[in-house]
Amino acid sequence: DAGITQSPRYKITETGRQVTLMCHQTWSHSYMFWYRQDLGHGLRLIYYSAAADITDKGEVPDGYVVSRSKTENFPLTLESATRSQTSVYFCASSEQGYGYTFGSGTRLTVV
Amino acid sequence: SQQGEEDPQALSIQEGENATMNCSYKTSINNLQWYRQNSGRGLVHLILIRSNEREKHSGRLRVTLDTSKKSSSLLITASRAADTASYFCATVPNSGNTPLVFGKGTRLSVIA
Repeated sequence: DAGITQSPRYKITETGRQVTLMCHQTWSHSYMFWYRQDLGHGLRLIYYSAAADITDKGEVPDGYVVSRSKTENFPLTLESATRSQTSVYFCASSEQGYGYTFGSGTRLTVV
Repeated sequence: SQQGEEDPQALSIQEGENATMNCSYKTSINNLQWYRQNSGRGLVHLILIRSNEREKHSGRLRVTLDTSKKSSSLLITASRAADTASYFCATVPNSGNTPLVFGKGTRLSVIA
């Protein structure tokens, strides 16, 4: 999906470090989302945003921070990474009432 | 917490056969969506069915929705090896303004 880009694709970080996952979309979709995918849990919503400067918590927001100063960008920051945050992170965008477009994911390992 | 629950968790069929996956959910919905995820990739939106619709088709895909039973099914006809993937249902609650809640998925293997 060329219109939504996540970076980096893979990341290894140490416990306690701050790490930021980037998400950029080119469609000017209003909504953007961050999910994490873990075996046995499926996809769980971390944070979402309905528009620039509007963000809301999802199911598992603890330990994460987001911002949305521009419509096209929605970075996710792990303030102090823990091993339990080892996961695959997916960013998605959409307009209300339509399907989501997902990025290719960032595989994060916290050692 | 998961709203949708797919059944079965895993399904293995021969190429050319039909594959049926089911999804049950708990609360009233605005719409229900199905997604496919190939190994190591992001999810791809397949089809959206609204709460006032009962059936929708897209190519070899057929989705049904029974709001009285809070269930949906995804039928893939004449399966191909390339259909091998995980399939997720996801629901938007009745307000329509809240994000998708995903089930844990059905892992489909199509054997050539």
